[in-house]
Amino acid sequence: GQQVMQIPQYQHVQEGEDFTTYCNSSTTLSNIQWYKQRPGGHPVFLIQLVKSGEVKKQKRLTFQFGEAKKNSSLHITATQTTDVGTYFCAGPKSGAGSYQLTFGKGTKLSVIP
Amino acid sequence: NAGVTQTPKFQVLKTGQSMTLQCAQDMNHEYMSWYRQDPGMGLRLIHYSVGAGITDQGEVPNGYNVSRSTTEDFPLRLLSAAPSQTSVYFCASSYVGGRTSYNSPLHFGNGTRLTVT
Repeated sequence: GQQVMQIPQYQHVQEGEDFTTYCNSSTTLSNIQWYKQRPGGHPVFLIQLVKSGEVKKQKRLTFQFGEAKKNSSLHITATQTTDVGTYFCAGPKSGAGSYQLTFGKGTKLSVIP
Repeated sequence: NAGVTQTPKFQVLKTGQSMTLQCAQDMNHEYMSWYRQDPGMGLRLIHYSVGAGITDQGEVPNGYNVSRSTTEDFPLRLLSAAPSQTSVYFCASSYVGGRTSYNSPLHFGNGTRLTVT
């Protein structure tokens, strides 16, 4: 069945270093979403990418959607302690309507001050 | 506008007990869903609904029941709790895509931490 895979599972960085998490799908995606979950919190929607090769920025966060629409990445420049949390990508479930999402297992980011 | 409200926040059950996790949203979202989150497993879909009177199974439905009598409410029932159901449960809702095929962003509740002993 459809899989959405994220790597790495964990990442520890020194504050100020950059961080990247990668998301790969076994099928072509019409769109991909990214969520952030702070420790003890709930997932919060960050952004949605819909176009092949699309790049979107939110302050220090850069999101990319691959040309083949099967992979995506989230890059954080100069991490801060406020970036701590787990980052999930999610893509539409194959064969489902435009509402079901399949989530990757997430990348847990730790930032060492 | 409260968004998605889940109750209770914490719950401890003994094996074999039953309980209902409540979820309500005030955004008039058609789609509502329940996920469980376990360490290293990400978010796994239990059940979902695309409108009142319509429910369907997700990836891990066994041991759980749902119903959708109104647009606002989507309770999750554990009929006979088992230790394997110890997890964090999230309710999430969204619009169902209209003119586009793109998924609408999911709005999550704060979660219910359930422990079954």
